[in-house]
Amino acid sequence: DAKTTQPTSMDCAEGRAANLPCNHSTISGNEYVYWYRQIHSQGPQYIIHGLKNNETNEMASLIITEDRKSSTLILPHATLRDTAVYYCIVRVAYNTDKLIFGTGTRLQVFP
Amino acid sequence: EAGVAQSPRYKIIEKRQSVAFWCNPISGHATLYWYQQILGQGPKLLIQFQNNGVVDDSQLPKDRFSAERLKGVDSTLKIQPAKLEDSAVYLCASSLERGLAGGYGDTQYFGPGTRLTVL
Repeated sequence: DAKTTQPTSMDCAEGRAANLPCNHSTISGNEYVYWYRQIHSQGPQYIIHGLKNNETNEMASLIITEDRKSSTLILPHATLRDTAVYYCIVRVAYNTDKLIFGTGTRLQVFP
Repeated sequence: EAGVAQSPRYKIIEKRQSVAFWCNPISGHATLYWYQQILGQGPKLLIQFQNNGVVDDSQLPKDRFSAERLKGVDSTLKIQPAKLEDSAVYLCASSLERGLAGGYGDTQYFGPGTRLTVL
């Protein structure tokens, strides 16, 4: 079973920041928070991952609370192409273990 | 860099028929995964290969599903005979053999999937 809880769906206006929350209250000390997204009719795509510090890359920012029980994925300027299902996954990093997906958050970006 | 290739993209069969899916991973990726994604759900792992050896097939319905990865490169997933509940998208993914500390060595790259409809 997935170790994370996410809202089923969210809306965001184009050009605004999209903030996607994730709860992972049972996360272990050696587990990282990973985010993938799945655009319609495509396979999932890696976005970002982190342990405890905030992370940023060209796609998004990841904010992890100090107690590591929750996190937020931020898309700073959402576009229509960001409409997708976003999955928050907790796992031990830097290994090839399977990804355990929940049902994710369906983000709809509107004009 | 070419991504993960899968074929066919779509397949419609009747129950009790057989079907096979093909996957070509990213060059140099030792680990290959097959996931099943039922409509409205997240993907679920069916089988994982490391080179041509099976690492995890605990969720594979072995009475009807089989998979192989000859020569540690391409892989095929077969269903025989198909049931109505096998209707799903079958996703193939690949990753490097070992994660690289500080890098993205454990990132899984997914293909576009094969959408199977069983009537």
